[in-house]
Amino acid sequence: SAVISQKPSRDICQRGTSLTIQCQVDSQVTMMFWYRQQPGQSLTLIATANQGSEATYESGFVIDKFPISRPNLTFSTLTVSNMSPEDSSIYLCSVVPSGRFYNEQFFGPGTRLTVL
Amino acid sequence: EDKVVQSPLSLVVHEGDTVTLNCSYEVTNFRSLLWYKQEKKAPTFLFMLTSSGIEKKSGRLSSILDKKELFSILNITATQTGDSAVYLCAVRSGNTPLVFGKGTRLSVIA
Repeated sequence: SAVISQKPSRDICQRGTSLTIQCQVDSQVTMMFWYRQQPGQSLTLIATANQGSEATYESGFVIDKFPISRPNLTFSTLTVSNMSPEDSSIYLCSVVPSGRFYNEQFFGPGTRLTVL
Repeated sequence: EDKVVQSPLSLVVHEGDTVTLNCSYEVTNFRSLLWYKQEKKAPTFLFMLTSSGIEKKSGRLSSILDKKELFSILNITATQTGDSAVYLCAVRSGNTPLVFGKGTRLSVIA
């Protein structure tokens, strides 16, 4: 499986500010995703991070609020913009490693965000 | 709309007990079903199932898929306190991203 790191692991932010979360993988991966997990809830897909092009957002998520970059096959960032307390969640990077049967998918350690 | 339903939502057992967690699904073009264990933040991959009737096993954990009845079970035998976690079931339909269930919160008490 791929080794995935995320930075920061946690942060406490003020309302109205923005936070950028980084996801680094130790090998090239076919697909990268960003998920959100609100307290007591299951995982919700925010978007698929596409290398070299705009991310593909799920219903209810927009680029202005969650801009995503993926400059290469091993790195992606998610920015949570103009934060409100409702954005307090765990944000997870997830990957499908290249060269493997498509279905195996692995998760990074997550970023726990608290917005005051 | 693709749907994954897990049951029970929560479960409390004593060490040594055997538990069975359930996952049923409704998807348009089933490709695979995955089980994860989530203790703190990151879900840890357990199993991926694609074929009916073939049991996947890892230590005290095992899982099987029934594609006719559209469900899977995850069994944990001789439970330990370290098995306490949320267990997530997810299904992939075609080439779309995984659809997750709400999870089963398992608490194992000594």
